[in-house]
Amino acid sequence: DGGITQSPKYLFRKEGQNVTLSCEQNLNHDAMYWYRQDPGQGLRLIYYSQIVNDFQKGDIAEGYSVSREKKESFPLTVTSAQKNPTAFYLCASSIGVTRADTQYFGPGTRLTVL
Amino acid sequence: SQELEQSPQSLIVQEGKNLTINCTSSKTLYGLYWYKQKYGEGLIFLMMLQKGGEEKSHEKITAKLDEKKQQSSLHITASQPSHAGIYLCGADSQGAQKLVFGQGTRLTINP
Repeated sequence: DGGITQSPKYLFRKEGQNVTLSCEQNLNHDAMYWYRQDPGQGLRLIYYSQIVNDFQKGDIAEGYSVSREKKESFPLTVTSAQKNPTAFYLCASSIGVTRADTQYFGPGTRLTVL
Repeated sequence: SQELEQSPQSLIVQEGKNLTINCTSSKTLYGLYWYKQKYGEGLIFLMMLQKGGEEKSHEKITAKLDEKKQQSSLHITASQPSHAGIYLCGADSQGAQKLVFGQGTRLTINP
């Protein structure tokens, strides 16, 4: 079955530690995205990638880093520089980047900083 | 930057009743997406509207785009418990699929 997987589902981190969230898709989509969702708020774009080996900052990129070495993978690292990392993180992908290209989402990773 | 305002923020309806959720944009809407989310899960794509006046339906859910009002509405007919969840609208304001989202509307269906 084609889809987007994110792992782990729940992640706990101590303050000062970096942590990497995994996102994999087998939809053969070119574009991939990372969003952050906080309670009572909509999604905010962290980073996006239109093609392998290329990515751009979204609206809230500070304290985060990404890589896109393979088409199917777009891992997100939450660094110790991110001041308030506790949130629900969602990965998405789309076949391209035109307005008609729907973004499909993974199941999410809930990160809690202890 | 574009902002999306959803109303109401939460909604409780009796099973079988109709309901409407609105999404109003601060700028011109070029493409409007509706998603549904169950708590703690990912977003499920419902519908995408591109043109002013466009209307799409899927089962008992209908979405419309009013370009002049910069607004979209999501209407559910004869609501069922399976409709419960958070509904989010998203819009592509800058191209390159950089979506901005509304804050979501939490829908509860009472039996």
